[in-house]
Amino acid sequence: KQEVTQIPAALSVPEGENLVLNCSFTDSAIYNLQWFRQDPGKGLTSLLLIQSSQREQTSGRLNASLDKSSGRSTLYIAASQPGDSATYLCAVRASGGSYIPTFGRGTSLIVHP
Amino acid sequence: SAVISQKPSRDICQRGTSLTIQCQVDSQVTMMFWYRQQPGQSLTLIATANQGSEATYESGFVIDKFPISRPNLTFSTLTVSNMSPEDSSIYLCSVPGQGRDNEQFFGPGTRLTVL
Repeated sequence: KQEVTQIPAALSVPEGENLVLNCSFTDSAIYNLQWFRQDPGKGLTSLLLIQSSQREQTSGRLNASLDKSSGRSTLYIAASQPGDSATYLCAVRASGGSYIPTFGRGTSLIVHP
Repeated sequence: SAVISQKPSRDICQRGTSLTIQCQVDSQVTMMFWYRQQPGQSLTLIATANQGSEATYESGFVIDKFPISRPNLTFSTLTVSNMSPEDSSIYLCSVPGQGRDNEQFFGPGTRLTVL
């Protein structure tokens, strides 16, 4: 059974710092990995999707990498801003046809001015 | 991409009552998923809503407690029945993308508080 772990569980940083959020998974037979952002009490917004054949994806100040063999993904946030404050969730979808991903518990990020 | 709306966005309910949550998608989709997110926790899949057949429930969730309707390819409802304070959660509707990437999309969520 796939297990997804996110470290750290919480992070508080001053504005302007570059951040790395970690996601690890136990079964490397994945179809894709998706990073989401969730604001308090709200739904999930998709940030980046990495297919199993890809190594990284970039969108603006965000860069997500995938090392399938070691079961790891990182989300890099450059020049963090207070508006980046949210919970970041990693979701791994297994290969084999299932549409149902396994979610980590998230990293709660606070960026203070 | 898929645009998903949910109603209500939030509600406060009394113990023992029921609440029906609606999910509307802007395109036709085969599967719709209902998730629960308890305070401070990650997402737990409740069930998969299939058009034209009964929903498929995950372990620990039963139809009597969480009846689901799926009348067409763009709409679904989830009812939380005979509520207790333990049902206080965010309930999220989700659909898989239709493109090759199969990105997953979520609705804005329904924040339920049971007193």
